[in-house]
Amino acid sequence: DVKVTQSSRYLVKRTGEKVFLECVQDMDHENMFWYRQDPGLGLRLIYFSYDVKMKEKGDIPEGYSVSREKKERFSLILESASTNQTSMYLCASGSAGLAGGNSYNEQFFGPGTRLTVL
Amino acid sequence: QQPVQSPQAVILREGEDAVINCSSSKALYSVHWYRQKHGEAPVFLMILLKGGEQKGHEKISASFNEKKQQSSLYLTASQLSYSGTYFCGTEAESYNTDKLIFGTGTRLQVFP
Repeated sequence: DVKVTQSSRYLVKRTGEKVFLECVQDMDHENMFWYRQDPGLGLRLIYFSYDVKMKEKGDIPEGYSVSREKKERFSLILESASTNQTSMYLCASGSAGLAGGNSYNEQFFGPGTRLTVL
Repeated sequence: QQPVQSPQAVILREGEDAVINCSSSKALYSVHWYRQKHGEAPVFLMILLKGGEQKGHEKISASFNEKKQQSSLYLTASQLSYSGTYFCGTEAESYNTDKLIFGTGTRLQVFP
């Protein structure tokens, strides 16, 4: 079975703390994604990685950074957490599309981490 | 810019039909549909590609109008298990990557 796991289901942090969210996939996928999900706003892409050490900004990268040192692991880092980063964070992975970059392949999502910043 | 989904919410009785629409301001290469049940991760339903190819669910159908940059998801003879929030994810022709931009979601509730 395809599996994407996230390090925590629930996390509570204080303003100003450095926060690490970890995601691991066991499907040998090239692509990995971090989204945040807020009521009424849907899923918004924070960062995307298409290979080890390669990343691309999504729509809302401000206040976040990412790290991909190994193919199966993609980390989201909040350098200095703020209350407006309280949200549900979803990681996903997927195979790379055909040459030229367009994707035929679905994304597989992890269970999410609900982060609360006090 | 996020695609716009309509309606925002739908309430159905079992056996009724529903249509969920997704509209983008960009020229699209593909549209993906996902369903998220309460407290769970989103799960893939379908991909519709420019040119008409589709891949996805047996009991749910969808269309993709490339000229209008719109897609519609058709849920016929709805079942209780169809309840959840439906998201479309769009891949713009200009991206040349595998990233998707998701809509704000349509919440579907099916009652007995």
